Amino acid sequence: NAGVTQTPKFRVLKTGQSMTLLCAQDMNHEYMYWYRQDPGMGLRLIHYSVGEGTTAKGEVPDGYNVSRLKKQNFLLGLESAAPSQTSVYFCASSQTWSNQPQHFGDGTRLSIL
Amino acid sequence: AQKITQTQPGMFVQEKEAVTLDCTYDTSDPSYGLFWYKQPSSGEMIFLIYQGSYDQQNATEGRYSLNFQKARKSANLVISASQLGDSAMYFCAMREGGYGGSQGNLIFGKGTKLSVKP
Repeated sequence: NAGVTQTPKFRVLKTGQSMTLLCAQDMNHEYMYWYRQDPGMGLRLIHYSVGEGTTAKGEVPDGYNVSRLKKQNFLLGLESAAPSQTSVYFCASSQTWSNQPQHFGDGTRLSIL
Repeated sequence: AQKITQTQPGMFVQEKEAVTLDCTYDTSDPSYGLFWYKQPSSGEMIFLIYQGSYDQQNATEGRYSLNFQKARKSANLVISASQLGDSAMYFCAMREGGYGGSQGNLIFGKGTKLSVKP
């Protein structure tokens, strides 16, 4: 049972390059989320999705786009990477009930030079 | 204003002793949930315990318990009989709204780094 799988685990980009982070979950969860974690800041929500074909902005959405074409996948895109986007990115998924925890992937460490 | 406040950036505890990690929250929603996650140095986020706003009893999960004081808006995590493997970052998080009333978004505190001394 894989749970939530993020690819890649590490990536180094140059400023201005683009890339896509992939999140896949095998728990049939409706809700999926992308967070970024910066030192001393905790986790901040970038975008989220409440079902296939839906996406919405979180607390820090600027510079990112997302897509949820399939229920099990949630993609996070950086169109033109900036050094300020250097961070650890976490994907999570959960059921719709409010007492259900979010299940997290292992994170992607992204460095923008 | 911060919705989740963890006032202890770092804490030390002796092995086998109990430790309390503080968390206060701010919400006007009568229906909410509080979660604690552990993040070891390897980086993954591990769910520990959940407390719902309408739960009458404090949540417990093994060595973890949640000291929920609703009137004070606090949800402190208590770890009993600390082990070396408990050394990690601990995050308190809140989800506002009940079923159908929220998108399940979690709001995280900035975390507390716990170090267990042998």
